[in-house]
Amino acid sequence: QVQLQESGPGLVKPSETLSLTCAVSGYSISSGYYWGWIRQPPGKGLEWIGSIYHSGSTYYNPSLKSRVTISVDTSKNQFSLKLSSVTAADTAVYYCARVAAVADYWGQGTLVTVSS
Amino acid sequence: EIVLTQSPGTLSLSPGERATLSCRASQSVSSSYLAWYQQKPGQAPRLLIYGASSRATGIPDRFSGSGSGTDFTLTISRLEPEDFAVYYCQQYGSSPPLFTFGPGTKVDIK
Repeated sequence: QVQLQESGPGLVKPSETLSLTCAVSGYSISSGYYWGWIRQPPGKGLEWIGSIYHSGSTYYNPSLKSRVTISVDTSKNQFSLKLSSVTAADTAVYYCARVAAVADYWGQGTLVTVSS
Repeated sequence: EIVLTQSPGTLSLSPGERATLSCRASQSVSSSYLAWYQQKPGQAPRLLIYGASSRATGIPDRFSGSGSGTDFTLTISRLEPEDFAVYYCQQYGSSPPLFTFGPGTKVDIK
């Protein structure tokens, strides 16, 4: 069974960089699939942030592209998200997921609040 | 960029009733790349339907998807108490591989 678990700070100051990691178990990232990040502001809908292939190829939401970096560490079977210059609008539950044409396995999500 | 619109925003129904949720795309979407998710409060979304009409593993057969082109539908034949939730449609653009979600339809108890 594929399992994903997000980790990282729950509070980030405005203008700083949000950093999260997703640890994958039950499946080797090197075996394939894209791996992605999706977020959900409190009380709102889902927004795809970006995806990475095990080879390192990345694709980002055009609206966030200038601030997002997703990377993969196949030796640790995990991938990471960095979102720079955060504001209160970046406060959300951040999910990691295995993505192909659909997101079939999801982490439980982690709330990140942007506040001073 | 494809925009997905879902209607209605909220659907108030009773257990046992039939629910029909709509997802409309701003331009034609490959049926292979249209999916539906269910999300309950405090939980991650769960994949229900992929390829417009195929049920994901473990999804009851009261859930069905249909449609093509720009108009897609999720039908819940008889609502069970656990089906009251928010439902999102999602499309995948293969070149480049970008995801888009609809704004969601909330199915609540009448």
